[in-house]
Parts: sequence; C-alpha cells; structure tokens
Amino acid sequence: GDSVTQMEGPVTLSEEACLTINCTYTATGYPSLFWYVQYPGEGLQLLLKATKADDKGSNKGFEATYRKETTSFHLEKGSVQVSDSAVYFCALKGSSWGSARQLTFGSGTQLTVLP
Amino acid sequence: KAGVTQTPRYLIKTRGQQVTLSCSPISGHRSVSWYQQTPGQGLQFLFEYFSETQRNKGNFPGRFSGRQFSNSRSEMNVSTLELGDSALYLCASSVGTGPSPTYETQYFGPGTRLLVL
Repeated sequence: GDSVTQMEGPVTLSEEACLTINCTYTATGYPSLFWYVQYPGEGLQLLLKATKADDKGSNKGFEATYRKETTSFHLEKGSVQVSDSAVYFCALKGSSWGSARQLTFGSGTQLTVLP
Repeated sequence: KAGVTQTPRYLIKTRGQQVTLSCSPISGHRSVSWYQQTPGQGLQFLFEYFSETQRNKGNFPGRFSGRQFSNSRSEMNVSTLELGDSALYLCASSVGTGPSPTYETQYFGPGTRLLVL
C-alpha cells in the first residue's frame, strides 16, 4: 500500500538558518503530495501541495518540488523564523479508489527555531 | 468562509463509556473524513463520508463508527472506550465532487482531544 517516509526529528535551527525536511513516498500511479503544519494545541493546516510530477508547491516562503524519479517531496525554506516552530507532516493521496479519498501521513518532524 | 469546526474540544471519559464527537465542514463541502492522532501511531485514517454514506474505511475496530447528516455535518462515535482510545480526533472536509479525489485538498478542524481514564 501507499506509504510516506519522513525525516526523523526533532530538528533545531537558529533563526535565519536554511531548512530542509526530507520526504519520500511509495505509491502506485500518480499521487498528489501535501505538506501540512501543526502548531501546538491545534489541528493541521495545509502548507502546500503538488498534484503532478515537477510541480512546485510554495507558500509563506516554503517550497517543495514533486520529484517522481526520486519519489520525493522535500520541504525547504531559505530562512526560518521562530514562528515556524511546529510539527510538519508530509502526506499523499493515492490514485486508486480508496487511497484517493484518504491522506496517508508521514510520522511528522518537530521543528524548533531558536532566536 | 468559516473553517471546519469540531465540538467539544476536550473530553474526559472513563473506560467502558461511549463518546460522540461532532464535526461541521466548510460550507459547500460534502465529504468529511476522520483521523486519529496518537504519539505512538501517528495520524491514521478512520473513515470518510459523502452524501450520508460511508465511502471509505480505515483499519479500526467496529467500536468506531460514524454518520453524516443531510447538511454534511458528521458525528463519530466510539463505544466501550479503552485507554488506548485516548487521542486527538481530527475531522477534515473537502468538496467531494471534483473530477479526481486525488487532487482534492482536505481542510482540518482543530480536533477533539479525548482522554480515557
């Protein structure tokens, strides 16, 4: 079945440092890929998405490119802020009938940004 | 538009009791999905409802059930609670009628945190 493997955390960075959180996936066909962010005590917020190979999703300075050849969707930001501290989840929706109607999540990466 | 709302936000129950959680989707969204989030198992899909019908189900025991009403609001029920049911339960909504469900974004509510003692 579909699966998402995410970089182990926690990750601690200083403000203005560069961020990369690795995400790779296993899925048949052509899934859609998502990054969600969860702030303490809250639900999940969509950060960005990509629905086909070579698409780049971007939002709030974060970017991720859908790489089918490497089955990856790594999250990047050039300069992190303290307010970016949160848990980040990589997820996919598959292309089969069932998997297209549910999100399959990675384990999450806790990011802490220090001032 | 208002986002996905979930009630209650917090619940404390004891083993053996049952609980009902409620979710109101974004206006115009007809698909509602439920997920369980725990530190050990992460985020796991429970089930999805569309037009009052369960369309998809995850790998959870029959103690977990749900329903959807004609206004797309949804409830999930957990009977005979166990300690391991302590979790954050998240509801997500999506349009549900797009050309391909693979492309549809699910929007999440703030969750209901359930503690079973």
